[in-house]
Amino acid sequence: DAGITQSPRHKVTETGTPVTLRCHQTENHRYMYWYRQDPGHGLRLIHYSYGVKDTDKGEVSDGYSVSRSKTEDFLLTLESATSSQTSVYFCAISETGGNTDTQYFGPGTRLTVL
Amino acid sequence: LAKTTQPISMDSYEGQEVNITCSHNNIATNDYITWYQQFPSQGPRFIIQGYKTKVTNEVASLFIPADRKSSTLSLPRVSLSDTAVYYCLVGGNNNDMRFGAGTRLTVKP
Repeated sequence: DAGITQSPRHKVTETGTPVTLRCHQTENHRYMYWYRQDPGHGLRLIHYSYGVKDTDKGEVSDGYSVSRSKTEDFLLTLESATSSQTSVYFCAISETGGNTDTQYFGPGTRLTVL
Repeated sequence: LAKTTQPISMDSYEGQEVNITCSHNNIATNDYITWYQQFPSQGPRFIIQGYKTKVTNEVASLFIPADRKSSTLSLPRVSLSDTAVYYCLVGGNNNDMRFGAGTRLTVKP
């Protein structure tokens, strides 16, 4: 399995609280992605990164920000969590981001916003 | 972005062959078709990828007709451990791909 860890694995927080999720990889892959997964929606891309300090928005980026200061770490921040952000968050990595490249997923973080 | 349509759920029995078809009518010339598998409480895992005709690996086969407007994932002789959600993705780059709701396959004894 690809070396991808996510922390924390579970988190319960309150509305209005800032939350940061961390994705760490040991594969030295250039591309990193954050997805959220909700019942009936599959996985939806939030943000992705194509290099250190290089990020772009995905399909559902409102309310989220990201940062990548090192190749191995990609942080997802909810500045002020809302109940609609209760979800399972997955990080993924890929080597080139191209059309034949495989994405490798982390174990996920279950976030509950009360 | 190419939109994909696949059945919401399918049931099968151990030992049977399962075929899951995905429609992608507006696939672009440079798009590849990729399938992922997701078990409960885990992230998705790559199964197979193809551009045209047939691709086979140790896990599955992927059939793509000449017009590429659909594709069929074939799982030979499924077992209980193949119970999972299967996603069909079509896109030019990873950040263009959309997972959708997938097909929930339930394999019964």
